[in-house]
Amino acid sequence: DGGITQSPKYLFRKEGQNVTLSCEQNLNHDAMYWYRQDPGQGLRLIYYSQIVNDFQKGDIAEGYSVSREKKESFPLTVTSAQKNPTAFYLCASSIGGEGETQYFGPGTRLLVL
Amino acid sequence: GQSLEQPSEVTAVEGAIVQINCTYQTSGFYGLSWYQQHDGGAPTFLSYNALDGLEETGRFSSFLSRSDSYGYLLLQELQMKDSASYFCAVRAIYNFNKFYFGSGTKLNVKP
Repeated sequence: DGGITQSPKYLFRKEGQNVTLSCEQNLNHDAMYWYRQDPGQGLRLIYYSQIVNDFQKGDIAEGYSVSREKKESFPLTVTSAQKNPTAFYLCASSIGGEGETQYFGPGTRLLVL
Repeated sequence: GQSLEQPSEVTAVEGAIVQINCTYQTSGFYGLSWYQQHDGGAPTFLSYNALDGLEETGRFSSFLSRSDSYGYLLLQELQMKDSASYFCAVRAIYNFNKFYFGSGTKLNVKP
């Protein structure tokens, strides 16, 4: 079955620690995205990538970093510079080009200890 | 820039019809999409309007009017499982792989 997987489901971060959230897709999609969702809020774009080895900042990129070394993988690192990281993180992909549908992973909930 | 506004919450009874509105200010987009998200879950795609008018998919219909900068999602024969948050979204013309989402409408379906 094709789809998007995210791990872990829950992640705990200590003060000053960098943590990495995994996102893998086997849909052969070119475009991948990371969103942050706070309780009762919409989706805010952190980073997106249209093709391997290329990515662009979204609306709230400060304190986050990404890489796109493989088409199927788009990991997100939450750095110590992100002072309020507690949120639900969603990874998504689309075929790119004229593709209108985004497919979302199950999400990772990040909590600060 | 892009701005999409939705009511924060709507309540309706089982079996009824409910309309969730989305008004937008955008410099250009390809079409209007709708997503459903249950609590704690991932958003899933519901429908897409590339052109003005009504698109029907089972109990769900979506409408777009570019001249009015307005769209809506219509849910008929409401069921308890329809209780969820609903988001409208657009894909920007100037950067065709970037999506913008509304703040979401929480739909509460009561027996």
